[in-house]
Amino acid sequence: DTEVTQTPKHLVMGMTNKKSLKCEQHMGHRAMYWYKQKAKKPPELMFVYSYEKLSINESVPSRFSPECPNSSLLNLHLHALQPEDSALYLCASSLSGTDPWGYTFGSGTRLTVV
Amino acid sequence: DQQVKQNSPSLSVQEGRISILNCDYTNSMFDYFLWYKKYPAEGPTFLISISSIKDKNEDGRFTVFLNKSAKHLSLHIVPSQPGDSAVYFCAASETSGSRLTFGEGTQLTVNP
Repeated sequence: DTEVTQTPKHLVMGMTNKKSLKCEQHMGHRAMYWYKQKAKKPPELMFVYSYEKLSINESVPSRFSPECPNSSLLNLHLHALQPEDSALYLCASSLSGTDPWGYTFGSGTRLTVV
Repeated sequence: DQQVKQNSPSLSVQEGRISILNCDYTNSMFDYFLWYKKYPAEGPTFLISISSIKDKNEDGRFTVFLNKSAKHLSLHIVPSQPGDSAVYFCAASETSGSRLTFGEGTQLTVNP
């Protein structure tokens, strides 16, 4: 299995909703990432988990809450989002959190906040 | 501060010809570089990478060249095919870390 699987593919949520994005990989990678991509912009790093521990938080607002239950799963919990948070949310994984080998992205979740 | 720059937002080439996409970086700590291809509403797909200990890496129709002194890399696609039409992102990392820094992307259009 050489894929990173993200669900759901599309999500529409209101500003008072609570929702979660899920990401799964079975490549034995020990680092997992959340990136955010706005239209016509490059992906921007949000969080890095290395060996199931949060190692990087790029000053992301607390309305985004990551969780790594085990080495294969990564969640992003969303609460009280704003319309400007609408974007493509990308999950990625790599072999470890200390090098960029095997960096693989999922197909993303297209999030719309209304 | 944009550490990775792709100065051409778009490039149009004829099918069968060479496509050359360029990327410049400013951070001298970057020593590993990747190219990704991206279709709308999909995640980036890895194409090819190069370590700073090399100046060229080839994989089929794709070749990446690295000029460390100029802090410049380029992706050559030969021959270009209509299916290559997509946005191409250059990304850079330190081999001592796993954070990727992306350029702004270049929209490649290959015309039949």
